[in-house]
Amino acid sequence: LAKTTQPISMDSYEGQEVNITCSHNNIATNDYITWYQQFPSQGPRFIIQGYKTKVTNEVASLFIPADRKSSTLSLPRVSLSDTAVYYCLVGDRLNFNKFYFGSGTKLNVKP
Amino acid sequence: EAGVAQSPRYKIIEKRQSVAFWCNPISGHATLYWYQQILGQGPKLLIQFQNNGVVDDSQLPKDRFSAERLKGVDSTLKIQPAKLEDSAVYLCASSLVALDSYEQYFGPGTRLTVT
Repeated sequence: LAKTTQPISMDSYEGQEVNITCSHNNIATNDYITWYQQFPSQGPRFIIQGYKTKVTNEVASLFIPADRKSSTLSLPRVSLSDTAVYYCLVGDRLNFNKFYFGSGTKLNVKP
Repeated sequence: EAGVAQSPRYKIIEKRQSVAFWCNPISGHATLYWYQQILGQGPKLLIQFQNNGVVDDSQLPKDRFSAERLKGVDSTLKIQPAKLEDSAVYLCASSLVALDSYEQYFGPGTRLTVT
């Protein structure tokens, strides 16, 4: 089971691009990288998932280098409503969806 | 599309009492998960069902926690007897088909306070 390491917290200002990096040195060949967002008093919400290179959707981009030992979630032009905890998960998507949450990164967006 | 439903939203009990949580996943979702989230921590997977069967319950404290998913739809998580350290938010999530599915949809959770 690949363990992930993320910064505990980050601060940003509205309109800035935010990059949150996750380290997963022992990622396995079949493992995918998934990011979730969680607001207070709510369940986590899926943001993005990738295996290698770059994945982009309407919310974020995910950059994964060739060695896959780390990944970076990029949030373009954040707003106050992006203040949340962001979790990086690594797991075998094809093995009954086994992903495990770490402690996450608390992103605080300031006006 | 209706989301994952959970009830109750809040529960306060005394230690050594029992409590049950209910979850109704999104229609058609074969996989159902129960998580425990202690304040300030990430969700911890307690048990994962694939239809009626248990896929993973390695982190479920089986001496006091039990869960079932009858008919492959709704699920119930029970704690008996509760301890102070069980105070947490219990999250239910579901996903479509286990193989090659990746997005888990979470319910609002049940906040349990054990006094």
